Amino acid sequence: AQRVTQPEKLLSVFKGAPVELKCNYSYSGSPELFWYVQYSRQRLQLLLRHISRESIKGFTADLNKGETSFHLKKPFAQEEDSAMYYCALHTGTASKLTFGTGTRLQVTL
Amino acid sequence: EAGVAQSPRYKIIEKRQSVAFWCNPISGHATLYWYQQILGQGPKLLIQFQNNGVVDDSQLPKDRFSAERLKGVDSTLKIQPAKLEDSAVYLCASSPGVAVEAFFGQGTRLTVV
Repeated sequence: AQRVTQPEKLLSVFKGAPVELKCNYSYSGSPELFWYVQYSRQRLQLLLRHISRESIKGFTADLNKGETSFHLKKPFAQEEDSAMYYCALHTGTASKLTFGTGTRLQVTL
Repeated sequence: EAGVAQSPRYKIIEKRQSVAFWCNPISGHATLYWYQQILGQGPKLLIQFQNNGVVDDSQLPKDRFSAERLKGVDSTLKIQPAKLEDSAVYLCASSPGVAVEAFFGQGTRLTVV
């Protein structure tokens, strides 16, 4: 069965510091990984997907199949990055979407 | 484009009562998901529809939860009878295809007292 693990419930960093939100997955097939974000009082929305290999709002994530990880990184945190971040895994032809438990990122001055 | 619409936004009921949630996905989206998000946890998939057929309902407590998607468009999720542990935010999402972005509604916050 597929599973997504986000080991940190809360990550607190200072503005300008680097950020790394960890995500590990378990799935025997070929995974499609995503990061979703939920800002305060807003709906859950897509931040980025591994297949597009793009940088969104300064965030990047690289799929490491050997370590089954998809960590989210940003070199310099901004206050507006404070939010809940969820790693998600699409599996199978039926496109089942499984979420991790989420990490709250808190960026302080 | 219009987003995923859900109603009501909030609902408070007593245990053993019944409740229904409604979701209107983005037009043309074939895939519709219902998730349950308990405070402090990630969204848990309850049921997934592809058009009006059920693709996955393995985590749906079928003794009390039911869902349908009429004509492959709108969907309703019902709980009968509700328990205290059903208190959560119920999220609806839709997607145009396989392994692409899912668009979420604002959710319905259910409190069972």
